[in-house]
Amino acid sequence: DAGVIQSPRHEVTEMGQEVTLRCKPISGHDYLFWYRQTMMRGLELLIYFNNNVPIDDSGMPEDRFSAKMPNASFSTLKIQPSEPRDSAVYFCASSLRGRPFHNEQFFGPGTRLTVL
Amino acid sequence: AQTVTQSQPEMSVQEAETVTLSCTYDTSESNYYLFWYKQPPSRQMILVIRQEAYKQQNATENRFSVNFQKAAKSFSLKISDSQLGDTAMYFCAFMKHDSGNQFYFGTGTSLTVIP
Repeated sequence: DAGVIQSPRHEVTEMGQEVTLRCKPISGHDYLFWYRQTMMRGLELLIYFNNNVPIDDSGMPEDRFSAKMPNASFSTLKIQPSEPRDSAVYFCASSLRGRPFHNEQFFGPGTRLTVL
Repeated sequence: AQTVTQSQPEMSVQEAETVTLSCTYDTSESNYYLFWYKQPPSRQMILVIRQEAYKQQNATENRFSVNFQKAAKSFSLKISDSQLGDTAMYFCAFMKHDSGNQFYFGTGTSLTVIP
């Protein structure tokens, strides 16, 4: 398996623009997580899905953020409108409950977002 | 709520020496999982080692081992024979057994291996 795939790897946009981050989890995994990492706040869980259903979105900072998982192999995180304080690295991770991985989360390479 | 504390923001170690990174957590759960993840400058998050709380034996993975003290709610990571490639941020994470696979991460420890 290719692992968790995220696109784009880097995104530079201007304030007010819409940004869409994409994630393809590992095939067969039933959980998908979106994280944001900044120097100030560390690694924050934004939202996670189980079997394509959002379970906990309490980490989503504002209504400007939204996430979807239309099927088991694809998820998006959208920011509209974007602001400079949204600049961060966004990670997607997936996991499979139980054995053999014992719930280990596999992370994608991250998307570095810069909002000017 | 579960909290994970890594009290050492930065650490350094000489190459080939041994270093221990500390992690404590707060929970009322009796069954859970603990993980150490490594994030090198490439930013990729990589699992280093995992521990299941019901197992008394400390987990080991080559040069990496843990000291799991359940009563003290402590989960430290020991790196033996440190190598330059061990330079990275290290995150401790907690997961309840009966949960939505949600991790609670610590704030990380930045480890530098000095040649």
